[in-house]
Amino acid sequence: KAGVTQTPRYLIKTRGQQVTLSCSPISGHRSVSWYQQTPGQGLQFLFEYFSETQRNKGNFPGRFSGRQFSNSRSEMNVSTLELGDSALYLCASSLMTGLNYEQYFGPGTRLTVT
Amino acid sequence: ELKVEQNPLFLSMQEGKNYTIYCNYSTTSDRLYWYRQDPGKSLESLFVLLSNGAVKQEGRLMASLDTKARLSTLHITAAVHDLSATYFCAGDPWASGSRLTFGEGTQLTVNP
Repeated sequence: KAGVTQTPRYLIKTRGQQVTLSCSPISGHRSVSWYQQTPGQGLQFLFEYFSETQRNKGNFPGRFSGRQFSNSRSEMNVSTLELGDSALYLCASSLMTGLNYEQYFGPGTRLTVT
Repeated sequence: ELKVEQNPLFLSMQEGKNYTIYCNYSTTSDRLYWYRQDPGKSLESLFVLLSNGAVKQEGRLMASLDTKARLSTLHITAAVHDLSATYFCAGDPWASGSRLTFGEGTQLTVNP
């Protein structure tokens, strides 16, 4: 069974630009969550999508947005990039049925803002 | 708001020794997760602890959960070099399964 995939794996952008990251969940998983990992702030929840609807949102500015498509693939967008947005962005998918609440993480997209 | 604290944050140990990583959390969390992360890599799920008193073991790692004490432990038995990694615990205060609050991580180094 294929795992969670994320593209691109590495990205370098300039301040002020915008970026779109993509995540394909494990087949059959309908929930996709996004996390930001930085050395200073650690792992922080960004948002979660389930059946094309944003169900939860973390404490991030409106520059961070996302969406989910009917095939459960998700994208996140960051507009007006700042240096502090440099991070590893992780996507996780969940089956969300019964007692199965395990999250499976993708390899991440490492974003560098210069 | 759930806060998750791990200790120690850095752990250097000798192969063959035992040690425990502690994970304290501040408010109710129905589930407690443990993950492993190798340098530059993603998170690998180790354990999901669902209820008070839950204990799970995989190889040299054993995790337990005490919801009354708001404490989870990850015990390492007879450490080997391959266990060197950063270990994270995470709580799920909304019982969502999808919105986790992570601890700072414990960077474990096992020396030969």
